[in-house]
Amino acid sequence: DSGVTQTPKHLITATGQRVTLRCSPRSGDLSVYWYQQSLDQGLQFLIQYYNGEERAKGNILERFSAQQFPDLHSELNLSSLELGDSALYFCASSGNRESSPLHFGNGTRLTVT
Amino acid sequence: DAKTTQPNSMESNEEEPVHLPCNHSTISGTDYIHWYRQLPSQGPEYVIHGLTSNVNNRMASLAIAEDRKSSTLILHRATLRDAAVYYCILRDVAGTGANNLFFGTGTRLTVIP
Repeated sequence: DSGVTQTPKHLITATGQRVTLRCSPRSGDLSVYWYQQSLDQGLQFLIQYYNGEERAKGNILERFSAQQFPDLHSELNLSSLELGDSALYFCASSGNRESSPLHFGNGTRLTVT
Repeated sequence: DAKTTQPNSMESNEEEPVHLPCNHSTISGTDYIHWYRQLPSQGPEYVIHGLTSNVNNRMASLAIAEDRKSSTLILHRATLRDAAVYYCILRDVAGTGANNLFFGTGTRLTVIP
């Protein structure tokens, strides 16, 4: 058990809809990361937050947004969903040293129909 | 980010040692070498990391070449549970604060009973 909790585990929705994925980091971790894993793209870094502020941005679409709240949990919002957004979405957290490893949750599997 | 090169796949017999190679000829002085693995239907799992010296933990050992242009992850006794995709990742901690990981395609390890 990594200590990172993601909800929901599975999500099925229709094209054009909007969904919110939630992540609770390990206790004490200030950094939260979001990754997308689809069959043809591998693990893609989306965005990182540190103590409520955006720290780094990867291949995140404009239709996607994220935030980290004062209690350090994070949400990833996906809107105007397309079939190609179907993927596993992973959240990770890390400690406060720059070399601290990332600890991943078990992901949310999103299916867009 | 500096790139890594790993074999696409490797096989090992159960209870034998496994040496997973990684080349990173463009590594910079501030790059840590991280290894993660991803078991089927799970999030990536941290295995080990190092900077210059060889490292050991309960999961594995990391042997780093003297010139740091390559490294080897050593599983001392492969079990069926070690069947996974193993990722070798360089992580720059040069003070930017953006210490996210970029995953490549990794090595798929098959353990033969």
